[in-house]
Amino acid sequence: DSGVTQTPKHLITATGQRVTLRCSPRSGDLSVYWYQQSLDQGLQFLIHYYNGEERAKGNILERFSAQQFPDLHSELNLSSLELGDSALYFCASSAGTSGGEAETQYFGPGTRLLVL
Amino acid sequence: GDSVTQMEGPVTLSEEAFLTINCTYTATGYPSLFWYVQYPGEGLQLLLKATKADDKGSNKGFEATYRKETTSFHLEKGSVQVSDSAVYFCALRPYDRGSTLGRLYFGRGTQLTVWP
Repeated sequence: DSGVTQTPKHLITATGQRVTLRCSPRSGDLSVYWYQQSLDQGLQFLIHYYNGEERAKGNILERFSAQQFPDLHSELNLSSLELGDSALYFCASSAGTSGGEAETQYFGPGTRLLVL
Repeated sequence: GDSVTQMEGPVTLSEEAFLTINCTYTATGYPSLFWYVQYPGEGLQLLLKATKADDKGSNKGFEATYRKETTSFHLEKGSVQVSDSAVYFCALRPYDRGSTLGRLYFGRGTQLTVWP
């Protein structure tokens, strides 16, 4: 168990709908990263938050948004869903402070999204 | 830009065989290098890491050495077990002036199946 929790584990929805994926980082971790895993694209970085602030964006669509709350949990919002958004969405956390282990990213179990 | 290339799978071995999964990278400076493992239906687990040239990461009988001269980080294990069957991902975190923050770039993953 990595200590990172994600809910829900599975999500089935229809095209055009909106969903919210939730991530709770390991206790004390300040950084949260979101990644998308799909068969055709592999593991792609979406967005990174550090202590409530957005730090970097990757291949994240404009229909997707995220935020990190004061208690450090994060939510990834996916709207106007399309069939191609079906994927496994991972959240990872890291300490983000100084020290050799601070950079290690620990992954949650993922949320499997199926858009029908 | 930064990228990771790892050998295409799938790799099928008999129990106690020697394993090598090749990984090469493209990056400026001295990135940190990682191997993650994904068991069926689960998230990614950190297997080992190396943060500077000639470092050797090791865990659970797996080893990988950070080779700056060949920009490689090949994963090896002397005697695989059925329980090692999983997908293995090579990843890098770009060097950023001593910061511990930063997204991971992943290879496409290598499926390993070990038969008894």
